[in-house]
Amino acid sequence: KAGVTQTPRYLIKTRGQQVTLSCSPISGHRSVSWYQQTPGQGLQFLFEYFSETQRNKGNFPGRFSGRQFSNSRSEMNVSTLELGDSALYLCASSFLAGDNNEQFFGPGTRLTVL
Amino acid sequence: SQKIEQNSEALNIQEGKTATLTCNYTNYSPAYLQWYRQDPGRGPVFLLLIRENEKEKRKERLKVTFDTTLKQSLFHITASQPADSATYLCAYRDDKIIFGKGTRLHILP
Repeated sequence: KAGVTQTPRYLIKTRGQQVTLSCSPISGHRSVSWYQQTPGQGLQFLFEYFSETQRNKGNFPGRFSGRQFSNSRSEMNVSTLELGDSALYLCASSFLAGDNNEQFFGPGTRLTVL
Repeated sequence: SQKIEQNSEALNIQEGKTATLTCNYTNYSPAYLQWYRQDPGRGPVFLLLIRENEKEKRKERLKVTFDTTLKQSLFHITASQPADSATYLCAYRDDKIIFGKGTRLHILP
């Protein structure tokens, strides 16, 4: 079956702009999590959605938001972009949320903020 | 706060030898640990999960151990090959999944 897909793969924005990233999970998976990966901080958890509800949120400012649709597809939005938001944004899906469910990651969206 | 640390930024191992990577955690007692592999420009790929009541888990050339007394997990790749070169991440979940920063492994031909 098809893996997790993320669009776009690459994005260049300027400070102050906003951006929306999209994630389509594996068919049948209802949980979607988002991560930010930078060389200095590694993989950091942003939020997790299950059945259109946010289950958990990481320690990121309110400029970072997300949502999940009834077909389990998810979007994340970053408003008022800052230079430090440049990172690889990864989405992961799993069949269920929580516990020890294996996560399947997408290829990521590389965001560059100028 | 919970912390998860991996032993070094880069590890060079001769082909055919066993590579051993370390994952230490503090301020928390996870019920399980996960190990992932990440290649440049790609998302992480799940490799193995080990629960706190399991001392050891194996999958082909991979072996993971979990020592709750030492608060440590070891990840072994036996008979290493250049294709094993990648970054390896460990992770656990409390209310959210926490990843280590990863260890870059280079298998030298």
